[in-house]
Amino acid sequence: SALTQPPSASGSPGQSVTISCTGTSVDIGEYNYVSWYQQYPGKAPKLIIYEVTKRPSGVPGRFSGSKSGNTATLTVSGLQTEDEADYYCSSFAGINSYVVFGGGTKLTVL
Amino acid sequence: QLQVRESGPGLLKPSETLSLSCSVSDASIGRSSHNWAWIRQPPGKGLEWIGRISSRGSTTYNPSLSSRVTISVDTSKNEFSLTLTSVTAADTAVYYCARDRWINYYPTYSFDSWGLGTLVTVSS
Repeated sequence: SALTQPPSASGSPGQSVTISCTGTSVDIGEYNYVSWYQQYPGKAPKLIIYEVTKRPSGVPGRFSGSKSGNTATLTVSGLQTEDEADYYCSSFAGINSYVVFGGGTKLTVL
Repeated sequence: QLQVRESGPGLLKPSETLSLSCSVSDASIGRSSHNWAWIRQPPGKGLEWIGRISSRGSTTYNPSLSSRVTISVDTSKNEFSLTLTSVTAADTAVYYCARDRWINYYPTYSFDSWGLGTLVTVSS
């Protein structure tokens, strides 16, 4: 089953915003393989967080990830207008060894 | 800089077979420790993982699609391919290929290089 994300989130420039991603004990709760992706309209997704907390080279430090139980969280600190995009989480799901995505969250910078 | 690029027909009729290829530049699939994945996104909707293949040809598929999906690799052409049989309108989507990254010989189950995507429309 898909991971559960809120459809929308918002914040003003300079503020912090969090986006949750809820799974189950067989995916997020079991493995530290949560990733987050940023997607602008008409563009391919971009990896911004992997293995729950790690940032690929070049991703700003204002993006951070965490996990507690079956829920992972993406935090965007010091919001900037260019952070307005769709954000997707994903997790490894050990059963059948596949990857499951969340439904996506549209982040609006007010 | 690794680049991946999807190619294939953009319009299919119901019941036909979808065939897409993904060419990989600036990296050798055959000598790579990474896996290679297909992911799709219906218009206006979220991402769906279709499956992965290793450089040795080992595959894993989304259980919801496994009866219709085949992913293969051609190391001589440095590309991998997706075949999806008996398509319906529900298979209309942008199809992405991506690198399923390993670090230090361990999987991360994350996708760090994506193609631009190719829109496949299924319509009679």
